[in-house]
Amino acid sequence: SQTIHQWPATLVQPVGSPLSLECTVEGTSNPNLYWYRQAAGRGLQLLFYSVGIGQISSEVPQNLSASRPQDRQFILSSKKLLLSDSGFYLCAWIPLGLDAQFFGPGTRLTVL
Amino acid sequence: AQSVTQLGSHVSVSEGALVLLRCNYSSSVPPYLFWYVQYPNQGLQLLLKYTSAATLVKGINGFEAEFKKSETSFHLTKPSAHMSDAAEYFCAVRGRIGNQFYFGTGTSLTVIP
Repeated sequence: SQTIHQWPATLVQPVGSPLSLECTVEGTSNPNLYWYRQAAGRGLQLLFYSVGIGQISSEVPQNLSASRPQDRQFILSSKKLLLSDSGFYLCAWIPLGLDAQFFGPGTRLTVL
Repeated sequence: AQSVTQLGSHVSVSEGALVLLRCNYSSSVPPYLFWYVQYPNQGLQLLLKYTSAATLVKGINGFEAEFKKSETSFHLTKPSAHMSDAAEYFCAVRGRIGNQFYFGTGTSLTVIP
């Protein structure tokens, strides 16, 4: 079956520390993958999307970067976290044969 | 370019009353349209989608939405609200070409007992 995983579920990090969030999908190949952020009480902001290995498109300039080292793995990173990086991070994908985005369970990041 | 506008960031209804969440889209061609629901600290869950078949689309949990091209709308309705419907609802549009999705700012639904 086609599924999406995200970890960790929650994360508390100090300002200036690095970040690595991982998203993996199963049951498909060459999926389109997306990273979104939700700030508290706000809508979804598309951060990055990828149509294949090593292919990353950035939607907004920011303190974050993304990589896709393997076909079904999408990683969100930062070298030095800012307070404004706090939020709920969602990975999404379009499963093979479908036309809707499906979302992972999300990671709640708090930067102190 | 595609976009969606959700009218009303907060909607309150009584339990058993009609739920109506509004979404208008902007697109130069008939788009794909979606409604998602998000419960606290969870990812978004697909409620229903319109992809050019029937204009009245039925989804999960008793929700439905009607695509009205003349009004560029895709409003979400449910005849009778249940306490478990309290959540954040997002309308989204996807162009016929390309794989980018554009989300509205969300509507928070409160159900009053």
